[in-house]
Amino acid sequence: DTGVSQNPRHKITKRGQNVTFRCDPISEHNRLYWYRQTLGQGPEFLTYFQNEAQLEKSRLLSDRFSAERPKGSFSTLEIQRTEQGDSAMYLCASSFNRAGENSPLHFGNGTRLTVT
Amino acid sequence: GENVEQHPSTLSVQEGDSAVIKCTYSDSASNYFPWYKQELGKRPQLIIDIRSNVGEKKDQRIAVTLNKTAKHFSLHITETQPEDSAVYFCAASRWSSASKIIFGSGTRLSIRP
Repeated sequence: DTGVSQNPRHKITKRGQNVTFRCDPISEHNRLYWYRQTLGQGPEFLTYFQNEAQLEKSRLLSDRFSAERPKGSFSTLEIQRTEQGDSAMYLCASSFNRAGENSPLHFGNGTRLTVT
Repeated sequence: GENVEQHPSTLSVQEGDSAVIKCTYSDSASNYFPWYKQELGKRPQLIIDIRSNVGEKKDQRIAVTLNKTAKHFSLHITETQPEDSAVYFCAASRWSSASKIIFGSGTRLSIRP
């Protein structure tokens, strides 16, 4: 399967701990997105990258959240000092985007975070 | 900011009947509208999308209609089958700049046998 890969699939952590998730996009995709999804809701936009550049970050995202895509390939999402409200499914998606040519988003299976 | 409203939140239809899910968007510059299907415990998957240069697109039992003036678009599923049971999300974005895609809150569709 050459789709979007996310690790780990599940993460249980205690409140106050830091966690880091990884996303490997489809290899030819230059855009990478992070979304958060809670039960009964649609994916909520967090941030996205074009190659290694972070182009936008949601205003709703606190300073405890940071994302990187250092070489324009895989990305990491770190949450510092986790809170119970951070419990959610964290979805990564990728797409190919070039002037006049865009592909739809392809999602990974997500990382389910539970903060106890 | 940009917003996508979706309704109904739940929908139950008899197998073989049609299902319609409706969405409205706030950003008048939006010109790309994908629909995703998410089965329990699985990733969202694209089922159909439409750009604002057309008013309707059809793919077998699935169709999407777009009313740019009203900033409204809908998903139509005909001859529903048990495997259509899932959560469906509409979304909107500016295709030309391929900016972030904003999703609706989802519709849980149940097909009654």
